[in-house]
Amino acid sequence: AQSVTQLDSHVSVSEGTPVLLRCNYSSSYSPSLFWYVQHPNKGLQLLLKYTSAATLVKGINGFEAEFKKSETSFHLTKPSAHMSDAAEYFCVVSEGYQKVTFGTGTKLQVIP
Amino acid sequence: DGGITQSPKYLFRKEGQNVTLSCEQNLNHDAMYWYRQDPGQGLRLIYYSQIVNDFQKGDIAEGYSVSREKKESFPLTVTSAQKNPTAFYLCASSIAGETQYFGPGTRLLVL
Repeated sequence: AQSVTQLDSHVSVSEGTPVLLRCNYSSSYSPSLFWYVQHPNKGLQLLLKYTSAATLVKGINGFEAEFKKSETSFHLTKPSAHMSDAAEYFCVVSEGYQKVTFGTGTKLQVIP
Repeated sequence: DGGITQSPKYLFRKEGQNVTLSCEQNLNHDAMYWYRQDPGQGLRLIYYSQIVNDFQKGDIAEGYSVSREKKESFPLTVTSAQKNPTAFYLCASSIAGETQYFGPGTRLLVL
């Protein structure tokens, strides 16, 4: 059975400092992995996805994530946080239609 | 513009009442999904549909019903059997089982 664990429910960073949001997963197959961002009372927006091509995936708004099979991790990073990055982030693992599992989310706070 | 629309943005339900949430997409996606989001629990799958006139139960289908009469539309009915309906409901669509794209959501509140 697949699962996804977001290791931090809340992360707080100062504006201009790096962001690291951690995600570990388990899967019996070679899954697709995604990061989504959700601003309050909005839908989820796709940040980036990994589908077995390059292990370092670049997304929108300066975010990127590295797939590490040996560590079963897919951490999301950004070199410099901006106030507009404050939101909730979801890591997702997918093996197909019904086999999509969402993490419980990490709320990112950016301090001016 | 291509995208997914959900309406209404807010919906109020009285006890014993059935309510229907709308989801429409013009992305020409075959697959559509309904999720429920509660604080601290991530998203949980209610129903999904791979093609018109076919749909499958997800992890928490009890108290909900859906229909898929048109490719573009996948309405969700929250029935009176759903005893705890207060949540944020998200609709998504995808090509086959690939990347899902989400609508803006409907917040359901109980009067």
